[in-house]
Formats: sequence, C-alpha cells, structure tokens
Amino acid sequence: DIQMTQSPSSVSASVGDRVTITCRASQGISSWLAWFQQKPGKAPELLIYAASSLQSGVPSRFSGSGSGTDFTLTISSLQPEDFATYYCQQTNSFPLTFGGGTKVEIK
Amino acid sequence: EVQLVESGGDLVQPGGSLRLSCAVSGFTFSSSAMCWVRQPPGKGLEWVSSISGGGGTTYYADSVKGRFTISRDNSKNTLYLQMNSLRDEDTAVYYCTKARSGWNWFDPWGQGTLVTVSS
Repeated sequence: DIQMTQSPSSVSASVGDRVTITCRASQGISSWLAWFQQKPGKAPELLIYAASSLQSGVPSRFSGSGSGTDFTLTISSLQPEDFATYYCQQTNSFPLTFGGGTKVEIK
Repeated sequence: EVQLVESGGDLVQPGGSLRLSCAVSGFTFSSSAMCWVRQPPGKGLEWVSSISGGGGTTYYADSVKGRFTISRDNSKNTLYLQMNSLRDEDTAVYYCTKARSGWNWFDPWGQGTLVTVSS
C-alpha cells in the first residue's frame, strides 16, 4: 500500500499569510494526487487534481505542485474562509489512500 | 446540478448489518465510477470501496474486505454499501462520491450519513 504523509499536522497562520502544506508518498505516484479542503461538519471538496490542476470554481490563490513522491499545496494569501483541514490523496493504485490531514488555524 | 444524497445510517450493535444508499442526479450515473469514503469522528478520511460504471469491477479496503459489498442499480441511479459483521471501528460518517477520469478525482461528495456501531 502507498502511504501518504502530510506535514505539518497543523499550522497557525494569519489572514494574508502564505501557507504551504507538503505531502509525501511512500513510492512514486507520478501526478496521481489530489488535494481536498474540509470544513467542520461538511463534506470534503476537491481543490486540486493531477497534482497541479485547479478544480473549476476554486480561487487562484490555491496552487499545487510536485510529481513522483513529493507534493505541495500552497495558499498564496490566506483568506478567512480558508481556515479548514486539508487532505492529500493518491489515486495511482488501489487501495486509494489519504494523508492524515493538515488543520489550518487562525493565529 | 449534480447531487448525491446518502441515507441509511443508524445505530447498530456490533456484529449487525446495515445497508447505505446514495441517490444521485444531474449526471449520467452508469458512465461514472463511484466510491465510498468514511471518516471516524474527529479523525481523517479513509477510502472504503469503489465500483465501475457498469458494476462489474469493484475494489475494497483491506479493513472491510469480506464484510462490505458495494453495488449499484443504474436503473435507479443509486449506489449501495451493504455492511455486515459491523465492528466498533466502523463507526464513521460515510460519504459517497463520484469519480472523474476513470477511478480518479473524487468530485462531488454527498453530505454523508452517520453509522454508529455500539452496544
């Protein structure tokens, strides 16, 4: 099974800050990586797919990069509505696996 | 508008059974692979199972293999998850989601249905 390791597990940041979340796969997954945002009590929402493609309707302050084993999600200027938990997920092979999540909190 | 609506979550005793349903609308259901993902209270996401558009190919997480069965009725635009031999650790919110581009890119998701396994 492919293990997905996210870091940090939580981050405190202020509105306007640049936030970077990393995700590492235990083996190469090419660009088969997605990023999701989840707010409390809500279902996850797709932000980024194929490592760097922005889902329709997602603000351009979100971006993804990487391939192989190392990936990043960057929020260029944090907005109040971005405080949430973020998950990466590999879709290279079954079983599909998620990272442990990164909670972005208000500083 | 694409909609996925789960139902069937309940309180069930260990060893019991439950069937979840996910009614969909707004897209060609039979052309889309579908998935179940769960989230224990206060914890992260866990992929549970996926099924192809025609229903002939299925995949399961090891944690549910042999106990859960994913199926679909394309005439009713409905996805199912039959859960047997339930354990305490199956307690979670269960989400159904549509896969894009084959088996990939889960979007959108339903609102989830809570399954509680407890005596």
